Parts: sequence; structure tokens; C-alpha cells
Amino acid sequence: NAGVTQTPKFQVLKTGQSMTLQCAQDMNHNSMYWYRQDPGMGLRLIYYSASEGTTDKGEVPNGYNVSRLNKREFSLRLESAAPSQTSVYFCASSQNARTGLVYGYTFGSGTRLTVV
Amino acid sequence: AQSVTQLGSHVSVSEGALVLLRCNYSSSVPPYLFWYVQYPNQGLQLLLKYTSAATLVKGINGFEAEFKKSETSFHLTKPSAHMSDAAEYFCAVSAEISGNTGKLIFGQGTTLQVKP
Repeated sequence: NAGVTQTPKFQVLKTGQSMTLQCAQDMNHNSMYWYRQDPGMGLRLIYYSASEGTTDKGEVPNGYNVSRLNKREFSLRLESAAPSQTSVYFCASSQNARTGLVYGYTFGSGTRLTVV
Repeated sequence: AQSVTQLGSHVSVSEGALVLLRCNYSSSVPPYLFWYVQYPNQGLQLLLKYTSAATLVKGINGFEAEFKKSETSFHLTKPSAHMSDAAEYFCAVSAEISGNTGKLIFGQGTTLQVKP
């Protein structure tokens, strides 16, 4: 089925470890987004990529880096994980920035990350 | 900057009762507005969207929302709750009036409980 695929679904890290969360979409979308979801805080934007080759910071970028590897893939990297980064991470995509506001985003099923 | 507030982190209704989930946004100019639903352990799905075409917007699963500019509100309703409606609901607004970046700002979320 077409959509947004996130890997892994679950991950436990020790403080200071690094890891990369993978996201891929097969809908030929131009825009991709990384959000984190925390109880009582909704979803907060970490980074986004309006088109292939561009990335920009969102609301909570500290401690994260991203790579728009190609049009399909947008990865999120934690260089030195901290307990405050325990969260559920969602990747989303839209055809482009404008249509994302007209038709909405397509979301992946999320990565549940625990940092101990 | 845009902001969105959902009143009530938890709402409990009986099966067959009216569902009302409240959302207020901060902009004086009508932004793009959305409601998303998240079922347990899943990603977010688009429920409905307001894009200035009509003030009463109908979505999937019998939900609808009314845009009220004078109240800066976009409340979500459903006449008769079903057990399958139990989920978390998020209101979202475009981060900029122009919508150029396609970024969305999400509310804190409201968990809907439906009692038999």
C-alpha cells in the first residue's frame, strides 16, 4: 500500500548513544516533515523539507539533525540521545507545501523511542 | 505566530450522545484548519479540513466542524457517538497565514472516551 513508512517502530537507547530514524514515502511527494509527540503537548515540528535538497528547522530542532537523502527519504538523526528525547516520532509528507495545506499530510505510523 | 488551543484534554461521552471537541486558533485572518484523529498505536489520519470554501465542513465517519471567524473557533462535532470513535483528536492550523511552508501547528490533543 502506498504511504509513509517509518523504521524502526520501537527503539530503546542508552543516554549518549546515537541513532537514525528512517522515513520513506512512495507517493512522489515533495514535502516531508518530522514531528515529535509528547503527552499533553500535541505534535511539535522538529525539522521539515519543503522540497528535495532543502531542510529547515522547526519548533524544537535542538539535539536533532536531518538528511533529505532523495525525494523519497527523509531521515532524523539523534547524535547523542538524552532522556528528554523519549517520545513518539512521526514522519509526514505532502505533495508540496501548498497542497499539504489543502489536502493535509499523510503520516507514518510512528517510532516509539525510549532513552534510558 | 499562530497558535491553537484545544479545550479539555479528556472528554467522556456515552454511546449515542453528542460529541463536541473544542478548538480555538489565534489568527485574525482565517488560516487553514484541520482535525486529525489518532487511533491507538497508529499515525494520524485526516478527519476534515477547512480551506475557506464553506464554514461547515463535513468529514469522515459522520464528523463535522464549523468555522466561526468571530469566535476564532473550529469545533468538531458528531451527533451520535459510536464506540469506534474512541481515539485522540488533534486540531491543527497552518503555521503562517500565507501557508508558504506548509507547516502545521498542532493542538495538545483531546482524548475521546465513549462509554457503553
